Amino acid sequence: NAGVTQTPKFRVLKTGQSMTLLCAQDMNHEYMYWYRQDPGMGLRLIHYSVGEGTTAKGEVPDGYNVSRLKKQNFLLGLESAAPSQTSVYFCASSYRRGASNQPQHFGDGTRLSIL
Amino acid sequence: QQQVKQSPQSLIVQKGGIPIINCAYENTAFDYFPWYQQFPGKGPALLIAIRPDVSEKKEGRFTISFNKSAKQFSLHIMDSQPGDSATYFCAASRNSGGYQKVTFGTGTKLQVIP
Repeated sequence: NAGVTQTPKFRVLKTGQSMTLLCAQDMNHEYMYWYRQDPGMGLRLIHYSVGEGTTAKGEVPDGYNVSRLKKQNFLLGLESAAPSQTSVYFCASSYRRGASNQPQHFGDGTRLSIL
Repeated sequence: QQQVKQSPQSLIVQKGGIPIINCAYENTAFDYFPWYQQFPGKGPALLIAIRPDVSEKKEGRFTISFNKSAKQFSLHIMDSQPGDSATYFCAASRNSGGYQKVTFGTGTKLQVIP
């Protein structure tokens, strides 16, 4: 049972380059989320999706785009990477229907460095 | 206010000790309070969670104490072991526009010394 799988695990980019982070979940969850984790700042929500074909902005969406073409996949894109986007990125998923007592299941993260 | 304030930032205890991590929140709309455990190189994993109509919840060696009037909750780890060394995040969530909005604390790095 894979749960939430993120690829790649590590990546180094130069300023201005673009890339896409992939998240895949096999739990048939409706909701998916992208977070970034920075030292001393906990986890901050970048974008989220409440279902296939729908996305919405989170707390820190600037510089990122997302797509959810298939229910099991949630892609995070950086169009023009900046050093401030150096971070560890986590994808998470959870069951639907807005019931707030649903735990989020996290992947193991993508460690991204922008030079 | 959407903040969840967590303390301490780091904690070192001897094996068998009882580390306590505290969190405080402002928004009374929060209705679910999970704790996540994160090991180096891994993603956060749900450890234990509580709803505000309960004052205490135990799961094995982990206990959440919840004080609704003070808007505070804490994690206690009984008989701590070196394997408990990890970063712990408290969180608070609420339904927001049809999805689960989760606000995380800034994390506590726990080290349990043998």
